[in-house]
Amino acid sequence: DIVMTQFPDSLAVSLGERATINCKSSQSVLYRSDNKNYLAWYQQKPGQPPKLLIYWASTRESGVPDRFSGSGSGTDFTLTISALQAEDVAVYYCQQYYSTIPYTFGQGTKVE
Amino acid sequence: EVQLVEFGGGLTQPGESLRLSCAASGFSVSDNYMNWIRQAPGKGLEWVSILYSAGSTYYTDSVKGRFTISRDNSKNTVYLQMTRLRAEDTAVYYCARGGNWFDSWGQGTPVTVSS
Repeated sequence: DIVMTQFPDSLAVSLGERATINCKSSQSVLYRSDNKNYLAWYQQKPGQPPKLLIYWASTRESGVPDRFSGSGSGTDFTLTISALQAEDVAVYYCQQYYSTIPYTFGQGTKVE
Repeated sequence: EVQLVEFGGGLTQPGESLRLSCAASGFSVSDNYMNWIRQAPGKGLEWVSILYSAGSTYYTDSVKGRFTISRDNSKNTVYLQMTRLRAEDTAVYYCARGGNWFDSWGQGTPVTVSS
């Protein structure tokens, strides 16, 4: 199984400041045949289900604010919130779909 | 509008069975890959099972032989039959659509396995 490790486990960011979350996979999730990184990011607010933010490592889901951006390739990825808003307080998860059975998630990063 | 609504969770004892349901609207479950993903209290997300549009099914190792995913196309509903439940199966169970990323999620149904 591909192990996804996020860091930090939590971070405190002032409103309007940048938040950076890192995700590292135990093996590359870059598929050479299509040159795509098989990685997604989710946001989960308390008491709510996860919400898809980004797929293919850097493609924003429809309706996601452009202050959210994803980057990285291979085994190292980053989710950046350019200017934190109050409504962005949540836990963020990365997920790989390179090896689909099983799909695996990072342990989560709490942004407060 | 795409919507997923789970129900069927509850409190049950170790060794017992439970069937979860996920009613979909706004799309056809038969045309999509459907999943069950769980979240233990205070923990992260764990993928449990997938049902392909063509009918194939797959499971995470810890539930193989105990859980069965299925669907009823006429009711546009996906099920998770859970048998021989263990304390470690305690979690909120989410239904989610997708074969790579998961773009739609239900609100989840809680399952507690305790004596």
